Amino acid sequence: GAVVSQHPSRVICKSGTSVKIECRSLDFQATTMFWYRQFPKQSLMLMATSNEGSKATYEQGVEKDKFLINHASLTLSTLTVTSAHPEDSSFYICSARQGADEKLFFGSGTQLSVL
Amino acid sequence: GENVEQHPSTLSVQEGDSAVIKCTYSDSASNYFPWYKQELGKRPQLIIDIRSNVGEKKDQRIAVTLNKTAKHFSLHITETQPEDSAVYFCAAIYAGNQFYFGTGTSLTVIP
Repeated sequence: GAVVSQHPSRVICKSGTSVKIECRSLDFQATTMFWYRQFPKQSLMLMATSNEGSKATYEQGVEKDKFLINHASLTLSTLTVTSAHPEDSSFYICSARQGADEKLFFGSGTQLSVL
Repeated sequence: GENVEQHPSTLSVQEGDSAVIKCTYSDSASNYFPWYKQELGKRPQLIIDIRSNVGEKKDQRIAVTLNKTAKHFSLHITETQPEDSAVYFCAAIYAGNQFYFGTGTSLTVIP
């Protein structure tokens, strides 16, 4: 399968700081990337859909000013959690769609802990 | 958007027995249904998928069936092994581009 790289794998930050998470498709061009949030023992909650060169589409209830998504190239999307607070602590995971055959591959996830 | 429901939330089976996980979806326009396996602390891995023009697909011990009329699809694992223990997620693709996931099933295979 295709390889999606996500960094960092774990980050601990102070409340009020911003954190950037990178998602890269290593061996294919991803016109669409998705960002999910996952709480322990729970499902993947779609946060936003990121299309290269255009604004991300956010799901209802997700604050676009808090979770900034940039998809500047066909292989890179970034999620910036701005002014992070403890309630933002979670496992964030990106995914990328491989071309037109609709298969979705995931990054390894980022565990964010806000103190 | 799409609404995907998944049952059961937990499932325990004896090694060698079969396991079945069911999902329903709400939007009849959804046309692609993948299944993912996620081990603790790791990324979800695609294990099998099915498109809406197919009723059943099999890959060794894993099979998926789709009933478009009833809008439900199921994952079947036969001859379960301890390494099959994980959380399994179904998903439906909505509007050709958005993937919505079920709530997950924690499968435990008892040796």
